[in-house]
Amino acid sequence: EDQVTQSPEALRLQEGESSSLNCSYTVSGLRGLFWYRQDPGKGPEFLFTLYSAGEEKEKERLKATLTKKESFLHITAPKPEDSATYLCAVQGTSGTYKYIFGTGTRLKVLA
Amino acid sequence: EAGVTQFPSHSVIEKGQTVTLRCDPISGHDNLYWYRRVMGKEIKFLLHFVKESKQDESGMPNNRFLAERTGGTYSTLKVQPAELEDSGVYFCASSQNNGDTQYFGPGTRLTVL
Repeated sequence: EDQVTQSPEALRLQEGESSSLNCSYTVSGLRGLFWYRQDPGKGPEFLFTLYSAGEEKEKERLKATLTKKESFLHITAPKPEDSATYLCAVQGTSGTYKYIFGTGTRLKVLA
Repeated sequence: EAGVTQFPSHSVIEKGQTVTLRCDPISGHDNLYWYRRVMGKEIKFLLHFVKESKQDESGMPNNRFLAERTGGTYSTLKVQPAELEDSGVYFCASSQNNGDTQYFGPGTRLTVL
């Protein structure tokens, strides 16, 4: 069964303190792995798509990487406005285009 | 370009009542998806439309849920009759082609009392 596990569940960082969020997945054929950011009361906001092991994507203070079993979202020198829940989702190649989501990592960056 | 919109943003109903949620996808997106998150759980897939056809409805929990997308534009998700366990946030997403990145709406928070 396709599954996504994110860790940690919650993370508190001081402003400027870099860290990484983990997304481990099992899927019968990976079509894509997706990172989203979600603010309270809003829908998931797209950040990155990764398709194959070794791929990396960057946007401002965020960098996403992918291996055959997991993805990391690295946050460099975070700011308070980076506080949000970060969601990871995978899409398999089994004939359906649905996303399988993890439960997310709640990130709080303190000034 | 307007994003995915959903209406209403919140709905509070009594058990046994009917509620209809609406989703307007990004213009030109043939693919429309419904997901929901119940309290403390991850976002879970409900179904996928390609234009007006149901491509995958494997996530629909039971026959109290009915989704339609007449004309291949907006979609509605009706819950009839609503039960307590239907409470949660219902998200709609759209993509241009199968397998493309899905863009999500703000969600409808449904509370069944």
